[in-house]
Amino acid sequence: GAVVSQHPSWVICKSGTSVKIECRSLDFQATTMFWYRQFPKQSLMLMATSNEGSKATYEQGVEKDKFLINHASLTLSTLTVTSAHPEDSSFYICSAAMETQYFGPGTRLLVL
Amino acid sequence: GESVGLHLPTLSVQEGDNSIINCAYSNSASDYFIWYKQESGKGPQFIIDIRSNMDKRQGQRVTVLLNKTVKHLSLQIAATQPGDSAVYFCAGPRGRDDKIIFGKGTRLHILP
Repeated sequence: GAVVSQHPSWVICKSGTSVKIECRSLDFQATTMFWYRQFPKQSLMLMATSNEGSKATYEQGVEKDKFLINHASLTLSTLTVTSAHPEDSSFYICSAAMETQYFGPGTRLLVL
Repeated sequence: GESVGLHLPTLSVQEGDNSIINCAYSNSASDYFIWYKQESGKGPQFIIDIRSNMDKRQGQRVTVLLNKTVKHLSLQIAATQPGDSAVYFCAGPRGRDDKIIFGKGTRLHILP
């Protein structure tokens, strides 16, 4: 149990385009999901908390208009990177909490 | 601010030996810690957790020790195998809102 999936697993896009990443909890409902970002050889940095039915809460320094989060149901949260630029290239990982946090497999984004 | 951090960025262990990965934390009010394993290109995988009312918890081939006096915890892996090669993160709640933050990670190398 406690499986979290992400889609896509990797994406390459042109600078200026928007990219949507989906995070699903497959066998449990999650009122709260989290989005993290990880640069090579670094730790996971919390970007935002996605709350079902309400607005996401963003960490200091994370632009909410840049990283749009929608938590449409108890099993789905989406992160949209708007007007992506090369510096947005990173590994994006979501997690869903059920007593403890379970993580998705990550989405690698490369912006050209 | 609150933090969790690992002592060593890398650790090399002979296959079959025991591995010990250490972590320190700053928030004395933290009551819950988690160890995650992250293989290359994948999301973190839950290994084991421990609450502050315990000093020790054992899983399959893994043991977590918590020393609240010196704010230190360790992950012990018995009979290290090649499949244990990964980056290990300790994580715990930050003080102001209990959201989980990660330490820097220790890369475990298994020597043949």
